[in-house]
Amino acid sequence: SQKIEQNSEALNIQEGKTATLTCNYTNYSPAYLQWYRQDPGRGPVFLLLIRENEKEKRKERLKVTFDTTLKQSLFHITASQPADSATYLCALANQAGTALIFGKGTTLSVSS
Amino acid sequence: SAVISQKPSRDICQRGTSLTIQCQVDSQVTMMFWYRQQPGQSLTLIATANQGSEATYESGFVIDKFPISRPNLTFSTLTVSNMSPEDSSIYLCEGLASGGTEAFFGQGTRLTVV
Repeated sequence: SQKIEQNSEALNIQEGKTATLTCNYTNYSPAYLQWYRQDPGRGPVFLLLIRENEKEKRKERLKVTFDTTLKQSLFHITASQPADSATYLCALANQAGTALIFGKGTTLSVSS
Repeated sequence: SAVISQKPSRDICQRGTSLTIQCQVDSQVTMMFWYRQQPGQSLTLIATANQGSEATYESGFVIDKFPISRPNLTFSTLTVSNMSPEDSSIYLCEGLASGGTEAFFGQGTRLTVV
């Protein structure tokens, strides 16, 4: 069956460091992969999308890589800040691009 | 980008009753979905809301329990019927923009069944 795993439930880092979150998947051939941020009591907020034929995508302090051979995506936040503390979800879209399957999320805590 | 207004934001309901959750999008989206998110868990897709026709349900979810309507491209409702405490969860609607590459979520409805 299809499976998505995010490397850990929680990640604690110090302000200014780079946070790296991992998303692995099996038994799936996604058309693209997305990363979302979710704050407590709120719906997910879209951050970045990377397509299956793209290796890397950047947006300000965010960088996403996508390796379809390893079936893995890495999500980096550089120069992290306490305001980056949240749960980050990865989601895979099916080939029709019509539905998303979500990972359980990694809760990032950035301490000052 | 689209904005999705979801209501109610939270409710406490008696078992055996039903609750209807509404989502209104401020612009047209090609597709709308309904998810459930239980504490500490990820989002689980309940169904795809199809405009003008019956929703497409995922395994484990049925129309009698979760009837869904989508009368037009910007509005959808999800009803949680004959509720039990196991239905306590956060329910989220999602809209997919044209091109299918960007998704927008409502703020969620936190449902507690007592």
